[in-house]
Amino acid sequence: KAGVTQTPRYLIKTRGQQVTLSCSPISGHRSVSWYQQTPGQGLQFLFEYFSETQRNKGNFPGRFSGRQFSNSRSEMNVSTLELGDSALYLCASSQPGQGELGYTFGSGTRLTVV
Amino acid sequence: KQEVTQIPAALSVPEGENLVLNCSFTDSAIYNLQWFRQDPGKGLTSLLLIQSSQREQTSGRLNASLDKSSGRSTLYIAASQPGDSATYLCAVRGITGGGNKLTFGTGTQLKVEL
Repeated sequence: KAGVTQTPRYLIKTRGQQVTLSCSPISGHRSVSWYQQTPGQGLQFLFEYFSETQRNKGNFPGRFSGRQFSNSRSEMNVSTLELGDSALYLCASSQPGQGELGYTFGSGTRLTVV
Repeated sequence: KQEVTQIPAALSVPEGENLVLNCSFTDSAIYNLQWFRQDPGKGLTSLLLIQSSQREQTSGRLNASLDKSSGRSTLYIAASQPGDSATYLCAVRGITGGGNKLTFGTGTQLKVEL
């Protein structure tokens, strides 16, 4: 059974640019969550999508957005990049309602903003 | 607002030692608690998931306990090995605030020395 796939693994962008990250959940999982990990703030929740609808959102500015497609794949977009957006972005998939199986995380996308 | 604290922040032990990592959370209204392991620059690997109705879970040399009423969980690692060196994170899935996001602790960085 394939795990959670995140692409790309590494990205270097310039301040002011925008970036799109992709996450493919485990087959059959309909919930995808995104987290940002930085040395100073640790792991922080960005948002969660379920059946193409955003169900929950963390305390991040509107520059951070996402969407989910009918096949449950999700994309996260960050516009007008700032140096502070440099982080490891992790995506997790789960299937709520099926015995609470917990979350499975991908390997992450390392974003560096210069 | 749920807050998760992990003690100690860092731990260095000789190989073969048994050790306990601690996790505390402020809001006992949780669905479950999950322990993860993170190797440097990598994603999260799920170790154990404890539902709110359970007291403990075991997997190999790992045992996790949960005392929901006091807001505490411990991860016990028996006979530690150098390959156990990593950062260990606990995360709670809270019932309030949307119900489908994880709140993470700041982690315990473990080093097992030969």
